[in-house]
Amino acid sequence: GAVVSQHPSRVICKSGTSVKIECRSLDFQATTMFWYRQFPKQSLMLMATSNEGSKATYEQGVEKDKFLINHASLTLSTLTVTSAHPEDSSFYICSARLGFGTDTQYFGPGTRLTVL
Amino acid sequence: DAKTTQPPSMDCAEGRAANLPCNHSTISGNEYVYWYRQIHSQGPQYIIHGLKNNETNEMASLIITEDRKSSTLILPHATLRDTAVYYCILNSGGSNYKLTFGKGTLLTVNP
Repeated sequence: GAVVSQHPSRVICKSGTSVKIECRSLDFQATTMFWYRQFPKQSLMLMATSNEGSKATYEQGVEKDKFLINHASLTLSTLTVTSAHPEDSSFYICSARLGFGTDTQYFGPGTRLTVL
Repeated sequence: DAKTTQPPSMDCAEGRAANLPCNHSTISGNEYVYWYRQIHSQGPQYIIHGLKNNETNEMASLIITEDRKSSTLILPHATLRDTAVYYCILNSGGSNYKLTFGKGTLLTVNP
């Protein structure tokens, strides 16, 4: 099956700093990548959708200036949490899909962010 | 707004079949039924999907009723490693290819 990786798997940072999370599709080219956030004991919530070479589309309530998304190639998308605060502590998960239509979405292993 | 309804939890004995139900009475004609699962502290894992025909792969079988208003995911021989939250999600693809995760079903496989 298609493999998606994320780096780092966990990160601890100080309040006010920025953190970059990478999402890579290892054995396929992803037309679209998605970023989700999951708080403890809750389900995944979609943050944004990014298409290669274009600006990301953010879900309602997600600050685009705080969560910067770059999708520069068909195999790499990055999420940068700027000026992180303790309330940004969460499990961030990316996914990628092959193309248009009902192609399956494959998920990365997630990144645990803890902001002190 | 969840378009699917799943029981919050289920138990299954190791080695037995696990049958996870999902109701989607308002499903549209072009919507596929997708199943994912999430093992604790990991990203979701794709299991299977279908439109109207029953589907089977190496992980599971998907049975969709003729009226498409409900479906059942079957894990034929559950193991302890199948303990996870299972999500039933509808999606029509195209430009609206977003997955909306509900609360899912926590399946606990007992020894």
